Amino acid sequence: GENVEQHPSTLSVQEGDSAVIKCTYSDSASNYFPWYKQELGKRPQLIIDIRSNVGEKKDQRIAVTLNKTAKHFSLHITETQPEDSAVYFCAASRGGSTLGRLYFGRGTQLTVWP
Amino acid sequence: KAGVTQTPRYLIKTRGQQVTLSCSPISGHRSVSWYQQTPGQGLQFLFEYFSETQRNKGNFPGRFSGRQFSNSRSEMNVSTLELGDSALYLCASSLDGRATEAFFGQGTRLTVV
Repeated sequence: GENVEQHPSTLSVQEGDSAVIKCTYSDSASNYFPWYKQELGKRPQLIIDIRSNVGEKKDQRIAVTLNKTAKHFSLHITETQPEDSAVYFCAASRGGSTLGRLYFGRGTQLTVWP
Repeated sequence: KAGVTQTPRYLIKTRGQQVTLSCSPISGHRSVSWYQQTPGQGLQFLFEYFSETQRNKGNFPGRFSGRQFSNSRSEMNVSTLELGDSALYLCASSLDGRATEAFFGQGTRLTVV
């Protein structure tokens, strides 16, 4: 099955700096890659996603890049703010026999210091 | 429109008991997936239902089961509870599970004592 690895597990940055979280996947059939943000005690919230026919997608201060050849994708947060502090999860999804299933990375605890 | 609703929010059960959790997806969504979240194991996939049929199942013992009703609401059941079943149980709804956005409920925090 699919295996998603996420690095780093913890990341601390100063307010205003950029943060980058990287994920790799193993199954070349994976075609959808969402990112979730989970604040303490809350539900994971979808913040951005990318499909395999696109190399990059931006939404204000966040962006995701995908390299299908290398099987990795990354989340970029610019001009970080204290409210960006949370656990971020990457995930991969493929069709076929695993429809409806997301394979998650282990998460990155991002702390933004004011 | 209303988001994904899970009930109850919190549960405390004793070892050996059984429990049923409920998930109401976003209106129009037909795919409901269940995940177990623990600090040590992260988000682990339990199963996914679409149009009242279980389409996928993760690597959990048979004590974990689920079903989906004609209105797409889903329930999961855990029988013969063990201490290790203590976790946050999350459901996610999506239109059809085919590489479409999945939205999570707030989860049910199950504590087994």
